[in-house]
Amino acid sequence: DAGVIQSPRHEVTEMGQEVTLRCKPISGHNSLFWYRQTMMRGLELLIYFNNNVPIDDSGMPEDRFSAKMPNASFSTLKIQPSEPRDSAVYFCASTNTGDTQYFGPGTRLTVL
Amino acid sequence: KQEVTQIPAALSVPEGENLVLNCSFTDSAIYNLQWFRQDPGKGLTSLLLIQSSQREQTSGRLNASLDKSSGRSTLYIAASQPGDSATYLCAVTRGSTLGRLYFGRGTQLTVWP
Repeated sequence: DAGVIQSPRHEVTEMGQEVTLRCKPISGHNSLFWYRQTMMRGLELLIYFNNNVPIDDSGMPEDRFSAKMPNASFSTLKIQPSEPRDSAVYFCASTNTGDTQYFGPGTRLTVL
Repeated sequence: KQEVTQIPAALSVPEGENLVLNCSFTDSAIYNLQWFRQDPGKGLTSLLLIQSSQREQTSGRLNASLDKSSGRSTLYIAASQPGDSATYLCAVTRGSTLGRLYFGRGTQLTVWP
């Protein structure tokens, strides 16, 4: 298996622009997680899905952030409009409930 | 709320030393505990997973122990090598929210030749 796939790997955008991050989980996994990592706050869970249904989105910073999982093999995290404080590395991870989580390589987002 | 603390925040040792990294968590009602490794600019790689009913897990030179009642875990690295240099993160899942990981801030390890 190719592992968790994220795209793009790097994104540089200007404040106010829309940003869409993409994730393809490992085939057969039933849970998908979006995390954000910064020096200040470490790793934070933004949202997670179980069987394509959002279970907990309490970590989503504000309404500018939204996430979808239209099917078992694809998820998006969208930021609109983006702000400089959104600059971070965004990770996607997948698992079968209760098992090891497998992380993607991350998307490094820079908002100017 | 589950809080996870890792001590020390950074560690620098010469090659060959045996190391102990510490992790503590505030809520003992965990489902499992995982240790991850993160190399600079990379994602996280799972090293060991300990179920709440287990006391320890071993993989090669790594041994992780779990004392659920006291809310502690340790990661023991034997005969450290420069290739072990990375950030090591501890994370727990709670029984009530299966799958959701609560992370510590990590221990940044440097092993010099």
